[in-house]
Parts: sequence; structure tokens; C-alpha cells
Amino acid sequence: DAMVIQNPRYQVTQFGKPVTLSCSQTLNHNVMYWYQQKSSQAPKLLFHYYDKDFNNEADTPDNFQSRRPNTSFCFLDIRSPGLGDAAMYLCATSRAPGDTQYFGPGTRLTVL
Amino acid sequence: GQQLNQSPQSMFIQEGEDVSMNCTSSSIFNTWLWYKQDPGEGPVLLIALYKAGELTSNGRLTAQFGITRKDSFLNISASIPSDVGIYFCAGLSTGGGNKLTFGTGTQLKVEL
Repeated sequence: DAMVIQNPRYQVTQFGKPVTLSCSQTLNHNVMYWYQQKSSQAPKLLFHYYDKDFNNEADTPDNFQSRRPNTSFCFLDIRSPGLGDAAMYLCATSRAPGDTQYFGPGTRLTVL
Repeated sequence: GQQLNQSPQSMFIQEGEDVSMNCTSSSIFNTWLWYKQDPGEGPVLLIALYKAGELTSNGRLTAQFGITRKDSFLNISASIPSDVGIYFCAGLSTGGGNKLTFGTGTQLKVEL
């Protein structure tokens, strides 16, 4: 089945230690998104890639970076995680900007 | 960022009852989406609505795209225990930069 896959599902890191979360998709969608979600709140968009074009949200901290080496994969890098970065990180894809988005299962990040 | 007004915030119902929740906005949307999120998982798309006035069903779920394009409702008939979770509405519009605007979520709890 075509899908959005996130690895790992659970990630524990130490305060200040860089961490990378990964997302892959078999939908062959052109757009990939990264969201941050804190408990019982709606997901908050961090940035997205439309093909190779990177689009950062104005309020996304510089601590968060992303890479998209090819159509299928997209990575979220947190350079120096703080306690406030503990959250669920969701990857989503859409065929084109403005199309329906499909989410992965998420990665729960814990910062010690 | 902007959020849609979603109500009710939470519901505690008996198994077998019908459920209704809705989202309203001051802005027009071109697409309305309804997602369900289980604890520790990513949002799963339930229904997508693309046309004002559209009424769409998916099993026990029925959703409508309001004629004014500023609202949508989701009905669940004959609720079962696995309906428990958080339901999010989300809107898409070109005016919104083709980004998802989420509702505040409805937490559904089902009593056996």
C-alpha cells in the first residue's frame, strides 16, 4: 500500500544533542511537510518542500532544519534540542500544493 | 496562526449513539478535510470535501461542505468504542497559501 513512513517512532535525545528524524513516502507526491504537535493541540507547520524548493514558516526556530535528498525522503534535523522541543513530529505529503495531505504515524521525541 | 472554530471541544457519549461535530471559519475554504487521530499516532484522513454543498459518506461517517464555504460538519452514526480519539477538521485555500488550517479538535470518548 502507498504510504508515509516515519522512523523512528520514538526518539530519545539529550538536551543539546543533535537529532535527525526521517520520513519516506511511496505515494510519489511532490510536496512533503513537517509538523510539530504538542499534547492535544493541532499540528503546527514547520516547513515544507515542493519538489526541491524549501519553504520555511516565519515562526519556525532556526534550530530546525530540513533536507530532501530525493522525492521519497525528507529529514528533520534539530541542531540543539531544548526541553521545549519535546513533541510529536509529523510528516505529511500531498500531490501538489493545496492538495489533500496524508500524514505519517509520527515520531515522538523526548528530550532529557 | 489561524485556527478554525471546532465544537464541541469534547464529547462523552454512549456506545450506539450518533455524534455530530462542526467547524466554522470567518474565511472561505476550497477544501474541507476531516482527520481522526488516535493517541500516539498521526492523523488519518476520514473524508475530503472539494465542493460547496457536497455531502459525502464513508461508512458510518457523513460530512458536508457548507454552502457558504465557511463551515463543515461531521456526523458519526451508531458510535462504537474504536471511534474514540481526537477529530480535527482542516481547511485548504489558495488565500491561505495552500496550507492546512486546523480546527481545535474534538475529543470523543465512548462509554460502553
